[in-house]
Amino acid sequence: DSGVTQTPKHLITATGQRVTLRCSPRSGDLSVYWYQQSLDQGLQFLIQYYNGEERAKGNILERFSAQQFPDLHSELNLSSLELGDSALYFCASSVVPRDTQETQYFGPGTRLLVL
Amino acid sequence: AQSVAQPEDQVNVAEGNPLTVKCTYSVSGNPYLFWYVQYPNRGLQFLLKYITGDNLVKGSYGFEAEFNKSQTSFHLKKPSALVSDSALYFCAVGADSWGKLQFGAGTQVVVTP
Repeated sequence: DSGVTQTPKHLITATGQRVTLRCSPRSGDLSVYWYQQSLDQGLQFLIQYYNGEERAKGNILERFSAQQFPDLHSELNLSSLELGDSALYFCASSVVPRDTQETQYFGPGTRLLVL
Repeated sequence: AQSVAQPEDQVNVAEGNPLTVKCTYSVSGNPYLFWYVQYPNRGLQFLLKYITGDNLVKGSYGFEAEFNKSQTSFHLKKPSALVSDSALYFCAVGADSWGKLQFGAGTQVVVTP
């Protein structure tokens, strides 16, 4: 158990809908990362937050957004869902942001299925 | 820009035999290299990382990895594989600021009894 929690574990929804994925980082970690894992794209970095502020963006679609709250939990919002958004979404956390040597610890993921 | 390649989609090995999972990288600047393992329906688990120092890094569950700067490689190794090592292994490289990691495509390891 990494100490990173994600809810829900599974999510089934329809095209055009909007969902929110939630992540709680390890105790003491200030930085949160979101990744998408799909069969065709592999594991892709989406976005990173540090202490409430966005710090890095990767291959995140405009239909997707995220935020980190004062208690450091983070939410990833996916809107206007398409079939291709079906994937496993991971959250990871680390202690400090500006140090790529810091290990990122991953949560168990949220499996999203868009029908 | 940074990138990482795992040239093998799958590695098959008999239990008790040595296991090697290959990884090569490309970064500008000093690389920070990681190995993660993913079991079915689970998140990624950290195995080991190379930051600086000894080229041979020891990690969890008996795994180790060798950093080779001239060959830009960071291969994962285990002297004696177990059936329970069957999983998906990811190599990752970090070099940009703010901690972004670039992951390889993953290598499926199958250890047969």
